Amino acid sequence: AQTVTQSQPEMSVQEAETVTLSCTYDTSESDYYLFWYKQPPSRQMILVIRQEAYKQQNATENRFSVNFQKAAKSFSLKISDSQLGDAAMYFCAYSGSNTGNQFYFGTGTSLTVIP
Amino acid sequence: DAGVTQSPTHLIKTRGQHVTLRCSPISGHKSVSWYQQVLGQGPQFIFQYYEKEERGRGNFPDRFSARQFPNYSSELNVNALLLGDSALYLCASSPSGNPYNEQFFGPGTRLTVL
Repeated sequence: AQTVTQSQPEMSVQEAETVTLSCTYDTSESDYYLFWYKQPPSRQMILVIRQEAYKQQNATENRFSVNFQKAAKSFSLKISDSQLGDAAMYFCAYSGSNTGNQFYFGTGTSLTVIP
Repeated sequence: DAGVTQSPTHLIKTRGQHVTLRCSPISGHKSVSWYQQVLGQGPQFIFQYYEKEERGRGNFPDRFSARQFPNYSSELNVNALLLGDSALYLCASSPSGNPYNEQFFGPGTRLTVL
């Protein structure tokens, strides 16, 4: 079975600084997709960034980028120039070609942004 | 455009009762998935439906059931409620249910079982 592990329950960052959230996963599939979702307090979960496993190039979306290490099964999220609005729970998620659109989520990292 | 909507927002039930949660996907989306998010945890997959057929089922007891209607809206039913069923139930829709599809989440239904 696929598992997703986020080893950092809580992280904090100074406003305008950079922070990296860690995620590792375990799978025997060769074709899969990885996602980072953000869940602000009492608000809906929204997609931050997505990575296709077959692509070697790391995905980037404005201030958000990933470090995808396929051999190590690692998928970390880097947030640059952190803003107060980045404060939220961040979930790493996995979706495999053999499991349809079923997402496997990690336990989340709570990010605090310090003004 | 309207996002994924869920009803009700909050629900309080007692042990042994039955509950029905409802979800309307984004217009044009044909796949709906249900997740259970216990406080402090990540969402756990319950069901996926695509074109009114069950495409996937997570590790949940038979007390949990779901269906999808011709307009692609969906219901999640839970029978014989237990205290441990207290959680945020999330509905997510996607265009086709393929693994590369982003899932769009609704605000959730907060279920409390007393």
